[in-house]
Amino acid sequence: DIQMTQSPSSLSASVGDRVTITCRASQSITSYLNWYQQRPGKAPKLLIFAASSLQSGVPSRFSGSGSGTDFTLTISSLQPEDFATYYCQQSYSTPWTFGQGTKVEIK
Amino acid sequence: QVQLQQWGAGLLKPSETLSLTCAVYGGSFSGHYWSWIRQPPGKGLEWIGEINHSGSTNYNPSLKSRVTISIDTSKNQFSLKLSSVTAAATAVYYCVRVQNDYTGQSHGMDVWGQGTTVTVSS
Repeated sequence: DIQMTQSPSSLSASVGDRVTITCRASQSITSYLNWYQQRPGKAPKLLIFAASSLQSGVPSRFSGSGSGTDFTLTISSLQPEDFATYYCQQSYSTPWTFGQGTKVEIK
Repeated sequence: QVQLQQWGAGLLKPSETLSLTCAVYGGSFSGHYWSWIRQPPGKGLEWIGEINHSGSTNYNPSLKSRVTISIDTSKNQFSLKLSSVTAAATAVYYCVRVQNDYTGQSHGMDVWGQGTTVTVSS
């Protein structure tokens, strides 16, 4: 199985801050990396697919980059509704696997 | 737009079989894989397995011996069965649609059901 490791596990930030979350794969997954946002008590929501493609309807303050084993999710200006947990997921090979999550909290 | 509506028993005893069903509304059933994901309380996401409209399946090896995912194309529904459950199966279970490109390459899970909380307790 491909292991996905996110860092940090949690972070505190203020509205308007630029936030960066990192995801590392245990082997190359080329660009088959997806990012999700999960608010408390809700299902995850797909934000970014194929490492850098913005899912329809997702605000442009979200962006993704990377290839191979190292990937980044960036929120350019954090908004109140962005406080949530973020997960990366590889779609290179089954079993599809997720990172452990990064919780973004209000400072 | 596509919506997923899921249902099934929420309270099980150890050794029983978990059974959930998901109905697909408002979109094409073919051309996608349909997956089950679970999330234990306070923990991360685990992929259980998937099926396409032809009945082709992929399972997580960690659960493969106990999982069956099936499909009923006449009803636009797919189902999950997980046998011999223990407390470790306590989780929120989601049915999801796998997004793919024209080559069939998966690009994430773009439509999610509302989730079903399953508790295993004696």
